[in-house]
Amino acid sequence: AQKITQTQPGMFVQEKEAVTLDCTYDTSDQSYGLFWYKQPSSGEMIFLIYQGSYDEQNATEGRYSLNFQKARKSANLVISASQLGDSAMYFCAMREGNTGNQFYFGTGTSLTVIP
Amino acid sequence: GAGVSQSPSNKVTEKGKDVELRCDPISGHTALYWYRQSLGQGLEFLIYFQGNSAPDKSGLPSDRFSAERTGGSVSTLTIQRTQQEDSAVYLCASSPRGALGNTIYFGEGSWLTVV
Repeated sequence: AQKITQTQPGMFVQEKEAVTLDCTYDTSDQSYGLFWYKQPSSGEMIFLIYQGSYDEQNATEGRYSLNFQKARKSANLVISASQLGDSAMYFCAMREGNTGNQFYFGTGTSLTVIP
Repeated sequence: GAGVSQSPSNKVTEKGKDVELRCDPISGHTALYWYRQSLGQGLEFLIYFQGNSAPDKSGLPSDRFSAERTGGSVSTLTIQRTQQEDSAVYLCASSPRGALGNTIYFGEGSWLTVV
């Protein structure tokens, strides 16, 4: 089974609107961390936001927030007030607590912001 | 610089030749990862090193691929008898041991083209 599933290969959003990028995960560990990364066309991977499995509140970092629904095993990224510079690939990732540092990545979602 | 350093940044090689890709992680990071990314695709896990433990080689696509990490620091990914389907960006990343929330830091990648 896939550890991380991103079901939206491509998404479009109007500038200044909010957009949600979906991510579901699969783990039997009680302790794990969830991450989102942005990869612009230049290729570098940029860390955006982190959510720990024991965190009671959803993580927020500026215009990014993580909608963490533990029972549903989902960790959706919400980008508010989209900007043209948000156009990029977005990857969801998980680190399991019991297996050390191993990171699992999803297949990514390509986001295009329309002016 | 203090980031993950990869070399060469670009490599064009003839089919059937061997190539070596180098990764110099952030000083003190015990975990080192290699991923492969084909054009417009997601991250394909190749291999993971954690300290002095045996590496997780489960992602290596064939026995033409191998990697080593000397002295717990620099890593070399070797591809023997390259094929055209090996053309991709090879990304290296490193992470400190410890807190679950530690992100991994990526290098800028080595772009490999097999002609």
